[in-house]
This record gives sequence, C-alpha cells and structure tokens, in this order.
Amino acid sequence: DTGVSQNPRHKITKRGQNVTFRCDPISEHNRLYWYRQTLGQGPEFLTYFQNEAQLEKSRLLSDRFSAERPKGSFSTLEIQRTEQGDSAMYLCASSFTGVQYFGPGTRLLVL
Amino acid sequence: TQLLEQSPQFLSIQEGENLTVYCNSSSVFSSLQWYRQEPGEGPVLLVTVVTGGEVKKLKRLTFQFGDARKDSSLHITAAQPGDTGLYLCAGARYSGGGADGLTFGKGTHLIIQP
Repeated sequence: DTGVSQNPRHKITKRGQNVTFRCDPISEHNRLYWYRQTLGQGPEFLTYFQNEAQLEKSRLLSDRFSAERPKGSFSTLEIQRTEQGDSAMYLCASSFTGVQYFGPGTRLLVL
Repeated sequence: TQLLEQSPQFLSIQEGENLTVYCNSSSVFSSLQWYRQEPGEGPVLLVTVVTGGEVKKLKRLTFQFGDARKDSSLHITAAQPGDTGLYLCAGARYSGGGADGLTFGKGTHLIIQP
C-alpha cells in the first residue's frame, strides 16, 4: 500500500506529557499537511511543508506544538506539555498536484 | 473560523431515497473538494470541482460547483446503506505551484437505513 501512513494510530497520555506523531507521505509528494479534528467538527488546518520548508502555520498551532520534515520525506508533529484540550484526531495529508490525500490519523486522548 | 457552511448537519433517510447536501461559502476558492470519512479513519477524496458551473458524476453521486465558485452541492440518487458516513466539503487555494491548507466545513452526517 503506497498511501499516507501515520503512527501510532492511537495514543493515550497523561496531561503534561510530551507526545510525537509520525507521518509518511505518498512517495514523491512534495507537500505535506497536518490537520486536527475534534468530535463533531471538520478537520482544521495546522501547518504544511513544501519539501523540508515549513510554509504556513495556523494560529491554532500554539508554542507547545512543533512540526518538522527534516529530509523532505516523513514528518513529525510534537506536542509538549499536553492538555486535555489537545485530545483530537491528528490527520496528515500529502499532495503533488494540489489534491490532498489523507492518512488514517492518530487519535490522541489526554487524561 | 470555519468559512464553509454545510447543511444539513445530520440526515437520516431510508434506502432508495434521494438526497442533496449543500456547501456554501462567503469566499471564492480555487477549487472545492468533497471527501467521505468513516469513524476512526481519515477523509477519502470523492471529487474535485474547479470550474464554475461544473458538474461531475461518480456513479450515483452528482457534484455541482456554483457559477461563482463559492458553493457546491452533492446529490445522491437511490441512497444505499454503504453511503453512510460523514461527507465533508473543503475549499482549496493555491500558491507556489501547490495547494495551501484546506478549509473544511463541519460536515454532513449521513445515515442510510436499510
């Protein structure tokens, strides 16, 4: 399967802990996007990369959030000092021509 | 702030009925994309509409993009239980040769009862 993959699929953590998620995009897709989706809502854009450059960050991306794509391939999203309000599905997508293809997401629960 | 309004938010109908869901925006987008999402999974792309007035068909699904490229509709004919899911519309803008982050509506939760 050559689709977008995300790991882990589920993460339970205690408030105050740090978590890191990984996204592997479709091979040769130059753009990679991160979104957050809470219950009953559509996905909300967080940030995106073109190759290794982070081109845009949403105001939703607080200082506790950091994303990297060091070699222009996979990306990581880290949340420091997690809060209960961070509980959500974190989605990754990649594109080459403009159409975005999504991974299965990582569901985070902060206790 | 969500710039795309979807309606209805919830819809439950019997198998075999027809339905239409709407996606309206106060802004113009370069394109609108429709996705379907099942619980615990990521959105799956159904179609992209680009040209004002464009109509695209995908089996029993018909997608239309408004002339002003600010609204879209999804019509399903003879709905089947397998159509059950969350339908999301998303507006795209382009820069630097690619798409910026998508703006999503809240989605329409569709249940087709056998």
